[in-house]
This record gives sequence, structure tokens and C-alpha cells, in this order.
Amino acid sequence: KNQVEQSPQSLIILEGKNCTLQCNYTVSPFSNLRWYKQDTGRGPVSLTIMTFSENTKSNGRYTATLDADTKQSSLHITASQLSDSASYICVVSLNSGNTPLVFGKGTRLSVIA
Amino acid sequence: GAVVSQHPSWVICKSGTSVKIECRSLDFQATTMFWYRQFPKQSLMLMATSNEGSKATYEQGVEKDKFLINHASLTLSTLTVTSAHPEDSSFYICSARDLVVLTFGAGSRLTVL
Repeated sequence: KNQVEQSPQSLIILEGKNCTLQCNYTVSPFSNLRWYKQDTGRGPVSLTIMTFSENTKSNGRYTATLDADTKQSSLHITASQLSDSASYICVVSLNSGNTPLVFGKGTRLSVIA
Repeated sequence: GAVVSQHPSWVICKSGTSVKIECRSLDFQATTMFWYRQFPKQSLMLMATSNEGSKATYEQGVEKDKFLINHASLTLSTLTVTSAHPEDSSFYICSARDLVVLTFGAGSRLTVL
């Protein structure tokens, strides 16, 4: 069964600290993996997209990693800011099939002063 | 970059009326559009997948006669909530996909009185 599991479910960190969010998947055949940030009451916004051959991709203070062998991805946030408070969603695309996208349930991050 | 416009961003209606939400891809042609529903502090729930010119594929438990989806062109999909009731109050989000890009709309908040 194609699944995407994210951990932790929620996280609270102090402003300025770093954190890492995890995404494990059992999707096959794999096409790509995307990380989105969703602010409360808004639609998700793309942070990174990674294909099978990519190990690391950065977008400002966000760095995503992908290990296609272990089927794991992480999103590292450096020097967190209050505006980083949001839900972070991992989405994996299949290479075929009628349901091409599998969504994780997200990690809710709260950055506090 | 790819932009998806969703309209209206919020709507309040009386119980028993129907509400239409539009989702437009502004600068790319979307072969597939997705509709989601999201309750407060919960993850996105896929409602249906629509391909241009064909009938939408609904997820299990989603009433196709209540949530009418039309995808008449490569840049426009609409979701109509028919005979809305207070329990239909939610945040509805669309996303549009071409070969590579998956972009979300900003969401539409529906409140049924």
C-alpha cells in the first residue's frame, strides 16, 4: 500500500533554533517528492521538489534531503523564525497509476519567542 | 512560476443553497486538478481528481451528487457544493498539475449558516 508517514505530528521550538522534520514513504514506483508549507487558512506553498537522483536541495533556510534507498526524506529548517510556524506536508508522486499523489498528514510546527 | 487562482476566498451561505468554487491555472495548462477539504488543525483530505474533459474520480465516502466537479478546460475546474448544510462548512483547496508542477490554490473558506 502506498503510504507517506510524517513525524513528528507536531513540534514546538524556540525562535532561532534548528529543527528537522521526517517523511518516510512506501510509494512505488517513485517519481518525485515534494515538501510544502501551509500557513493556517492558506493553501500549501511549494518549498522543494526532489527526483530520484537528487540527495539534497535547499531553498533559503529550508534544506530537504532524500534517500531513495531507505525511502526517507527530511526537511531541515535553520535559524527558525516565528513565521516558520505552519504545517509542513510531504507529498510523493507515483510514476504511474490512477492516484498519482500520496500525501503525508503533515507536521505542525510552532516557533515561539 | 505556476499560479493557481481560487475564487471566492471565502463565502457564507444559507443552508440549502448551492455554492460554486472556481479553480484556475493562470499560466500553465493543468492536465489534472484536485479538490481537497480541510477541517481545522487537520490534514488535507483529497475529495476528487478531475481530468479535463472527463468525469471526476471521487474518493471513497465523498458524495459525487453533493460535490459536483466540472473540468471543462485545461485551465478551469469548478466545485459546486449542492444543497449545502452546516456540516459542509470547511476549507476547500484545489491544486493543479501539469507534467512537473503541482500548485495549490489559496483555498476557499465556506461557512454554511
